[in-house]
Amino acid sequence: QSVLTQPPSASGTPGQRVTISCSGSSSNIGSNYVYWYQQLPGTAPKLLIYRNNQRPSGVPDRFSGSKSGTSASLAISGLRSEDEADYYCATWDDSLSGPYVFGAGTKVTVL
Amino acid sequence: EVQVVQSGAEVKKPGATVKISCKVSGYTFTDFFMHWVQQAPGKGLEWVGLVDPEDDETIYAEKFQGRVTITADTSTDTAYMELSSLRYGDTAVYYCARGALDYWGQGTLVTVSS
Repeated sequence: QSVLTQPPSASGTPGQRVTISCSGSSSNIGSNYVYWYQQLPGTAPKLLIYRNNQRPSGVPDRFSGSKSGTSASLAISGLRSEDEADYYCATWDDSLSGPYVFGAGTKVTVL
Repeated sequence: EVQVVQSGAEVKKPGATVKISCKVSGYTFTDFFMHWVQQAPGKGLEWVGLVDPEDDETIYAEKFQGRVTITADTSTDTAYMELSSLRYGDTAVYYCARGALDYWGQGTLVTVSS
């Protein structure tokens, strides 16, 4: 069971906006940057957002990240069929369980 | 161009040890941590640990502590993950990933089977 809580699934029709939440605590999200990864079926994960809201080169601006207190969120605007994937939030954690932790992942389905 | 290339699939018996390699190119190996991440079949990502190639410092997740050893060879720009006392639950794809996990290897499937 992850220390970061994500909804197991989210969905939307093409063109819609989908938001994925990631809830943590003061020892992880509350005091560290949040990262988001996209994993397309059968492939390695890809960095989507770093340092809460920064996009690596090549990531479309349809993807945006935000953080407030001990929670973070990823928004996908103008949803496209190729966005159908698993999305994971992650951050450093100051507790003993594991310095770097992932959320359990959210499966995004494009209807 | 940054490249991260892992070794091939492995099949091991319960109780055995597996060692996976992760060779990088296109950047200075010692400038970034190297992480290892486990993904069991149909499951999410689980952080295993990391090595700082500059000074060989390691940090491991509590779950894997005592069974995992992560090392870095700066002469070949290669990181390694060794997992011992393998159990059926260790069957998974293992990924290495650089720094902020911005570049990932293709993954190595480790199957534990008798």
